[in-house]
Amino acid sequence: SAVISQKPSRDICQRGTSLTIQCQVDSQVTMMFWYRQQPGQSLTLIATANQGSEATYESGFVIDKFPISRPNLTFSTLTVSNMSPEDSSIYLCSVEGLRADTQYFGPGTRLTVL
Amino acid sequence: GESVGLHLPTLSVQEGDNSIINCAYSNSASDYFIWYKQESGKGPQFIIDIRSNMDKRQGQRVTVLLNKTVKHLSLQIAATQPGDSAVYFCAEITGGGNKLTFGTGTQLKVEL
Repeated sequence: SAVISQKPSRDICQRGTSLTIQCQVDSQVTMMFWYRQQPGQSLTLIATANQGSEATYESGFVIDKFPISRPNLTFSTLTVSNMSPEDSSIYLCSVEGLRADTQYFGPGTRLTVL
Repeated sequence: GESVGLHLPTLSVQEGDNSIINCAYSNSASDYFIWYKQESGKGPQFIIDIRSNMDKRQGQRVTVLLNKTVKHLSLQIAATQPGDSAVYFCAEITGGGNKLTFGTGTQLKVEL
């Protein structure tokens, strides 16, 4: 499986500010995914990010709030914009495995919004 | 450290016993299922997968059973060890796509 890193690992932010989370993978992958995991809950897909095209967002998530970049096959960023305490969550990126339907996850970014 | 399992169902087992973690899914069109293990402070780790044309698949100390009739998935862990303590999630993919839908998760606690 790929080695996936995320930066920052955690952050505490003030409401109204924005945070950009980076996801780096050690091999080229076509599809990368961003998930949110609210405290004590399961994972929810935010969007799918393919290199060279606009990200595809799931119901309840919009580009203005969660802009995503995918400049190459090993890197992606997720920005959480105009943050409120309700955005306090773990944000995880994942990449497809050698079999396209398998996904491997990064360590997550723990965000607290005050 | 921070736990993601604060509000999740909990299964407590004695070290050395077998564990069975269950998952119900709702979409009869789901054709691929994955079990993930998430330790405190880490991202989910792939454990084992199974396709809908199979009933059972075995890995190292783990077995996944799929009952499509009642839309039920289980993960069996043999000889449970303290290192197995984590939150376990099932996830499904529907229609040959790549969108994972996660279940609610179960916190497994291994008692010494």
